[in-house]
Amino acid sequence: AQTVTQSQPEMSVQEAETVTLSCTYDTSESDYYLFWYKQPPSRQMILVIRQEAYKQQNATENRFSVNFQKAAKSFSLKISDSQLGDAAMYFCAYQDGSQFYFGTGTSLTVIP
Amino acid sequence: DAGVIQSPRHEVTEMGQEVTLRCKPISGHDYLFWYRQTMMRGLELLIYFNNNVPIDDSGMPEDRFSAKMPNASFSTLKIQPSEPRDSAVYFCASSPPGPAWYNEQFFGPGTRLTVL
Repeated sequence: AQTVTQSQPEMSVQEAETVTLSCTYDTSESDYYLFWYKQPPSRQMILVIRQEAYKQQNATENRFSVNFQKAAKSFSLKISDSQLGDAAMYFCAYQDGSQFYFGTGTSLTVIP
Repeated sequence: DAGVIQSPRHEVTEMGQEVTLRCKPISGHDYLFWYRQTMMRGLELLIYFNNNVPIDDSGMPEDRFSAKMPNASFSTLKIQPSEPRDSAVYFCASSPPGPAWYNEQFFGPGTRLTVL
């Protein structure tokens, strides 16, 4: 069974607007970490943001923030003031003591 | 630091041939991961090492795949014999000491493998 689900294969956003990418996961663990990685056309995977499950406060990194809903097992990424350089494939990832899973990715297009 | 280094960047081979992919992790990192990326299946973890020891190889698709890490600065992923369905981008990643599950993984640029 898929542990990490990204239900939006493709998304688009107008430059300077806000977009939210969704991610849900399945786990019986109480302690784990969640990540969003960005993969631009260059293929280089880059960490965007990280969330620790035991922290209730949502992580924020500049224009990137998450909405972490632990009970719902939801971990969405919000990109504010979208820029052309944000165009990429975005992967949600789950890690616990022994498991490492990535979602299938969401391709984000930024429209000038 | 140069980051995670993978070679070759591109590999084209014929079915039945042996393929060896190489990875040099970031110095000081003691976890190393091999992933395969395809359009259909996304990113799949094949195997990971801690301190050069394979910890979980349950993602290795079949016996044709093998991975080694003879020392802290080098790992190989070998496919023998290769098949067209092995065509994919193979990523190597490393992460720093400490529980791997809360550390960021640093990815290499990937090797695009095409098996004809």
